[in-house]
Amino acid sequence: NAGVTQTPKFQVLKTGQSMTLQCAQDMNHEYMSWYRQDPGMGLRLIHYSVGAGITDQGEVPNGYNVSRSTTEDFPLRLLSAAPSQTSVYFCASRVNRVGGNTEAFFGQGTRLTVV
Amino acid sequence: AQSVAQPEDQVNVAEGNPLTVKCTYSVSGNPYLFWYVQYPNRGLQFLLKYITGDNLVKGSYGFEAEFNKSQTSFHLKKPSALVSDSALYFCAVRDYAGKSTFGDGTTLTVKP
Repeated sequence: NAGVTQTPKFQVLKTGQSMTLQCAQDMNHEYMSWYRQDPGMGLRLIHYSVGAGITDQGEVPNGYNVSRSTTEDFPLRLLSAAPSQTSVYFCASRVNRVGGNTEAFFGQGTRLTVV
Repeated sequence: AQSVAQPEDQVNVAEGNPLTVKCTYSVSGNPYLFWYVQYPNRGLQFLLKYITGDNLVKGSYGFEAEFNKSQTSFHLKKPSALVSDSALYFCAVRDYAGKSTFGDGTTLTVKP
């Protein structure tokens, strides 16, 4: 049981480059989300999706795009990387039960450095 | 707006001693509360949650948490700490609409 798989684990980008962080889950979870983790700032929600074809913005969406064409995959695209996007990115998934009381499963993270 | 506060950046305890990691929250309506643990270079792992019912919630690895509605707190506890409990701990609150907010995290260090 793979759970939530993120690729790549590490990435260095130059300012202005674009890239896609991949996230896949095999638990048939409807809800998927992307967070960034910065020192002393906890986890901040970037984008989320409650099912295939449905996405919405979170707390810090600027500079990022997402799409959800299948239940399993939820890629995060950086359109034009900036040093401020240097962070650790986590993908998470969970059952989208009414009331939202199910726990989230997290990937191992992607450590991104923008130079 | 909902929020989570973890007032201690760092908690240090000796192995075998009880530990407490504090969390207070603010949310509209009834809260769903979670604790997650993060080991170095890993993703977050679920420890326990409070949804409704008994105020004392038991979770993985011997951890428990006490929900206190009047104090809007959800402190994480363990009767006897292990060196292997050393990690970064996150408290999170979720509202009925499904919006989650995480605290900034508390680093727990258990010394032999």
